[in-house]
Order: sequence, then C-alpha cells, then structure tokens
Amino acid sequence: DQQVKQNSPSLSVQEGRISILNCDYTNSMFDYFLWYKKYPAEGPTFLISISSIKDKNEDGRFTVFLNKSAKHLSLHIVPSQPGDSAVYFCAASDPGAGSYQLTFGKGTKLSVIP
Amino acid sequence: GAVVSQHPSWVICKSGTSVKIECRSLDFQATTMFWYRQFPKQSLMLMATSNEGSKATYEQGVEKDKFLINHASLTLSTLTVTSAHPEDSSFYICSAANYGQGYNYGYTFGSGTRLTVV
Repeated sequence: DQQVKQNSPSLSVQEGRISILNCDYTNSMFDYFLWYKKYPAEGPTFLISISSIKDKNEDGRFTVFLNKSAKHLSLHIVPSQPGDSAVYFCAASDPGAGSYQLTFGKGTKLSVIP
Repeated sequence: GAVVSQHPSWVICKSGTSVKIECRSLDFQATTMFWYRQFPKQSLMLMATSNEGSKATYEQGVEKDKFLINHASLTLSTLTVTSAHPEDSSFYICSAANYGQGYNYGYTFGSGTRLTVV
C-alpha cells in the first residue's frame, strides 16, 4: 500500500513556463511534507517543505500548496529553467510515529525544454 | 549547511563477498541515520533507522543479518551488505538527521552508493 503517490512519472515543460508536480497521500496522520530534487546517481537534496498548519509555502521560484481535505499537495516551479530538470520526490512524515521517518513517493521526472 | 559524506560512490563486487558503505556527517552530530535503497524508477525505500549507540530498527522485509548497520558514533554509520548477490545490486543512500534544524526536519542525504554485484 503506497501511502505517498506521485501519479505522473514524467512531465515535460517549456522553459519559462510553470511546472506543476502533484502528490497525493493516504495517511491522515502525515502532517509534514517535503519535496526533494534528485539528479541521477546523486542523493536527494531538500527543496521546500510545508507543515500541515499551512496551506502554502513559498521560496523563490518554488511554491508548495497543501490541501489537507483532499490529501493533496503540489509543487509549482515558475519560471521553469533547464537546470530544474531532475526527478522530484514528494515525502511525508508522521511525527507521531516517533521516529521522524520519511515516506517517499516514486518521483516525477521533470524535463524542462529550452 | 549540513553535509553528509557517503562513500564509496560506486562499487562492483563479486557474488558472495561483503561490501561496506560509510556515511559520515561532516559538520553536525547525527543522532539518527537512515538507510534507503532505490531501484530504478522506484521510490526511495527505507531499509533501517539507526540511533547512535543502539541497535538499528529494520523495516519489514529487510534482512538484518544481511544488511548490517553500525552507528558507533554521532558522525558515522556503516551499512555492510554481507554475502552480496546480484539481486542486492541497487543504489543505497544514507540520510543523517539533525533535529535541531527544523526547516526540513534536519534531513541531509548522502550522495548515494551504486552497488553492482557480479
């Protein structure tokens, strides 16, 4: 049972346009969400996070939106740049579980076309 | 910022041999380290959680006798794949947690190790 789902394995966007990456979750106990960016043969790097008490968090070109009732979050990148091409992982945590483990989605490969 | 060094970045070994992967937190003390495994086009799957000075907690389906984890100090955790077989070939990634950093849960990932067992 996959608790964090990224249903789009890939996404192609023209440079300068908006990239929207989606993530759905099933565990209502998750209350902290993170997005990571990963290049091939490298470890993930943290991008942006959001706590369940907020519905939006913005950091430069990156904005994460959280809809708790729909158990859905999305990452917006605008404007998209070729350097943004990577795999993006959505992750969620249930601090109540005590161990701060992250549950990851399968990732969405973003290709930004110059 | 926090840096986690993982090595080797890639290793090829013969079937039946053991391989050790190291994960070091360079500028912070990591009370907890996580080991993940990633298959091609798949998610990062948590293998185990290790706390300094205590035994690792393994996820269901992960053989603790095959994947030996040692977290002897606040800056070093090791994963040893014992008697490796071709099906153990994968990308292994560690993550060190410094819970004092609240902005991203304090997770910092290593650069990963590509293990190929021939």
